[in-house]
Order: sequence, then C-alpha cells, then structure tokens
Amino acid sequence: GDSVTQMEGPVTLSEEAFLTINCTYTATGYPSLFWYVQYPGEGLQLLLKATKADDKGSNKGFEATYRKETTSFHLEKGSVQVSDSAVYFCALYGNNRLAFGKGNQVVVIP
Amino acid sequence: DTGVSQNPRHKITKRGQNVTFRCDPISEHNRLYWYRQTLGQGPEFLTYFQNEAQLEKSRLLSDRFSAERPKGSFSTLEIQRTEQGDSAMYLCASSPSGGNGGELFFGEGSRLTVL
Repeated sequence: GDSVTQMEGPVTLSEEAFLTINCTYTATGYPSLFWYVQYPGEGLQLLLKATKADDKGSNKGFEATYRKETTSFHLEKGSVQVSDSAVYFCALYGNNRLAFGKGNQVVVIP
Repeated sequence: DTGVSQNPRHKITKRGQNVTFRCDPISEHNRLYWYRQTLGQGPEFLTYFQNEAQLEKSRLLSDRFSAERPKGSFSTLEIQRTEQGDSAMYLCASSPSGGNGGELFFGEGSRLTVL
C-alpha cells in the first residue's frame, strides 16, 4: 500500500540554521504530497503541498519539491526561528485518505 | 471559532469501559475523517464519511469501534470495552468537497487514556 518514510529522530537546531527533513514515499500512480505541521498544543495544519512531479510547494519560508525520480519530498528552510519548533509530518493523498509518516520533532534553540 | 471541534479533549477511563468522542466538522464540509495517533507515530487512518455514508473502514478499526455521522454533520466515535492499547489521540478532520485533494482541516484531537 501507499506509505511515507521520514528520517529518524528529532532535529535540534540553533536559530538561523538550515533545516532539512527527508521524506520518501511509496505509491501507485502519482499522489499529491504534503507537509503538515503540529505546533505545541494545536491541531495538525497544512504547511505546503505539491500535486505533480517537479512542483515546488512553499509557505512560511519552507519549501519542498516533488521528485518523481527519487520518490522524495524533502522539506527545507534556510533560516529557522524558535517559532518553527513543532512536529512535521510528510503525507501523501491516495485512495481517498492521507497516509502520514511518523513525524519529526524540530526544536529550535535561541 | 469555526474550526473542527472535538470533545472531550481528554478522557481517562478504566479498562473495559465504553467511551464516546464527538467531532463537529467545519460547517458544510461533507467529508469527515477519523485518525488515531499514538506516541511517536504519525496519524493512522481509521474511517471516513461522505455526508452520512461511511465509505471505508481501516482494518485497524476492530469490532469494538463504531463511528456514525447520522445527519451528515457531527460524528461520533465509540470504543466499547476499552483496552490499554486503545490509549491514543483520536483526530477528526473534515474537508469541503470529497477529500479536497488531501487538504484536510484537523481538530485538536481527543486524548484517551485507558488505565
């Protein structure tokens, strides 16, 4: 079935550092890809999406590019802030539902 | 606030008891999803409704779980004879048309602790 794999473990960074969170997927066809974010005490919310190969999704300084050849959708941000501390989930949409990765907790230290 | 609302936010119960969670989706959203999230894991699909029709249930949804959406508005998720393994965050999400291409609006979740 469709699945998403995220890199293992939490990520701890200093403010203004570069952030990368790896995400790969397995799916039949070409699903839409998403990054959802969960800030402390809040519900999951959409961060960005891409619907076809080579599309770049972007929001709040975050970017991710849909790479069909490597089946990847890595999340990047050039300069993180303390307010970016959250849990980030990669997901794909197929068969009428979202399938999520395990998530990565990101902690940004001032 | 017109977001997805879930109640109760936290439920503590003893093993063997029944619990019910309620989800009020965003008004006029015709699709509603239930997901379960355990510690350190991503949300796992449980079931979804299109209006009042339950269209799919995951194999994760054992016979002890039942979900309803009687009038196509709010939904309930009932767990009978709870087990410690049912301890998790239960998430509800809605979308305005079909699955909205994966753009779902999530509630803050209902956390279940089974003692």
